[in-house]
Amino acid sequence: DAGVTQSPTHLIKTRGQQVTLRCSPKSGHDTVSWYQQALGQGPQFIFQYYEEEERQRGNFPDRFSGHQFPNYSSELNVNALLLGDSALYLCASSWERGSGETQYFGPGTRLLVL
Amino acid sequence: AQSVTQLGSHVSVSEGALVLLRCNYSSSVPPYLFWYVQYPNQGLQLLLKYTTGATLVKGINGFEAEFKKSETSFHLTKPSAHMSDAAEYFCAVSGKAAGNKLTFGGGTRVLVKP
Repeated sequence: DAGVTQSPTHLIKTRGQQVTLRCSPKSGHDTVSWYQQALGQGPQFIFQYYEEEERQRGNFPDRFSGHQFPNYSSELNVNALLLGDSALYLCASSWERGSGETQYFGPGTRLLVL
Repeated sequence: AQSVTQLGSHVSVSEGALVLLRCNYSSSVPPYLFWYVQYPNQGLQLLLKYTTGATLVKGINGFEAEFKKSETSFHLTKPSAHMSDAAEYFCAVSGKAAGNKLTFGGGTRVLVKP
């Protein structure tokens, strides 16, 4: 049973560029949430996708956008990158009709903005 | 609104000694409470959770936590530390009425001394 997978594992970009991160949820899960974890801090909620729609959003600017596909996989897009966007980006999945409160995390994508 | 406070950003314990990590939360809705562990350069692994029912919950690797509503606490314990317990631990709160988004504390890094 495959867990949550994310790609790429590491990424280096320069300021002003755009980046796309990808996530495949755990088998049987239909909900995907994204979190940003800056160095030395706890993860911060970015947004959550269910039924291909953004259901909930944290306190992040519109430069952060996402998408969920019919197979429940998801992308996180960040435009106009800033140095402060350097962080570990974590994807988590859950099953809405099951124990929807329990989120399982992937290994993350580490983004460095120079 | 929800928030989590983890007392002590770093904890040092001797191998075989009790591990106690403190977590206090604030929530305007009935809370779901979680402990996650993060090993270096990895994602988050669920240790245990409280949703409803028994207030003493047992998790993986010998950890357990007790939900105390009157104290708004969810402290994590393990009777005997092992070298493999060295990691960062995050307490998190969510709630059905809050859309199940996770709000994390700042984390506690555990060092285990031989």
